[in-house]
Amino acid sequence: EAGVAQSPRYKIIEKRQSVAFWCNPISGHATLYWYQQILGQGPKLLIQFQNNGVVDDSQLPKDRFSAERLKGVDSTLKIQPAKLEDSAVYLCASSRYFTRDVGSLSSGNTIYFGEGSWLTVV
Amino acid sequence: GDSVTQMEGPVTLSEEAFLTINCTYTATGYPSLFWYVQYPGEGLQLLLKATKADDKGSNKGFEATYRKETTSFHLEKGSVQVSDSAVYFCALSDGYNQGGKLIFGQGTELSVKP
Repeated sequence: EAGVAQSPRYKIIEKRQSVAFWCNPISGHATLYWYQQILGQGPKLLIQFQNNGVVDDSQLPKDRFSAERLKGVDSTLKIQPAKLEDSAVYLCASSRYFTRDVGSLSSGNTIYFGEGSWLTVV
Repeated sequence: GDSVTQMEGPVTLSEEAFLTINCTYTATGYPSLFWYVQYPGEGLQLLLKATKADDKGSNKGFEATYRKETTSFHLEKGSVQVSDSAVYFCALSDGYNQGGKLIFGQGTELSVKP
């Protein structure tokens, strides 16, 4: 099956400009995640969708970051205006189940990652 | 909250050496545990996983055992190759309590010399 698709792969913008990243999850996957990975650190969850609803956006800087998944399939993450500290890799990931469903607890719901979108803010 | 701690890198080994990367976790529930690998310029790839205590995950010669009594999930490989050079991330997912999101350690860079 096709993996998680992301675009663009690389983007360089000036501070205060805007940028948008697109993600298409694996077909049939209900849950979609956006992670931010700053150089030298582990990825940090920004937002999690279950179909087209938001499950967790507690670590999303809502004054500048926004994300949507209008039809419950692909998703867009936007940053406006960008700051220097937003330089990072933005990883999209998906999983088949929403793991609060009791029936999936024993399966170790696997999360699959895209190759990432590398953002440099100058 | 839940967290993952990995041994600091970088780790430099000679080819065919034995590898151990330590990982310990803190969790209030019963998480699944994972090792992800990130090769230079690429995204994260699932290496192996374990979903309950005493389970052993294995893949490509790597293995890790879920030790609930020591809250650990150490990654091991008996004989590393140059192609294993990458950054390795330990992670947990507490699906029941946290909706399945992955919480990552800071990563350990492995460099294998010929």
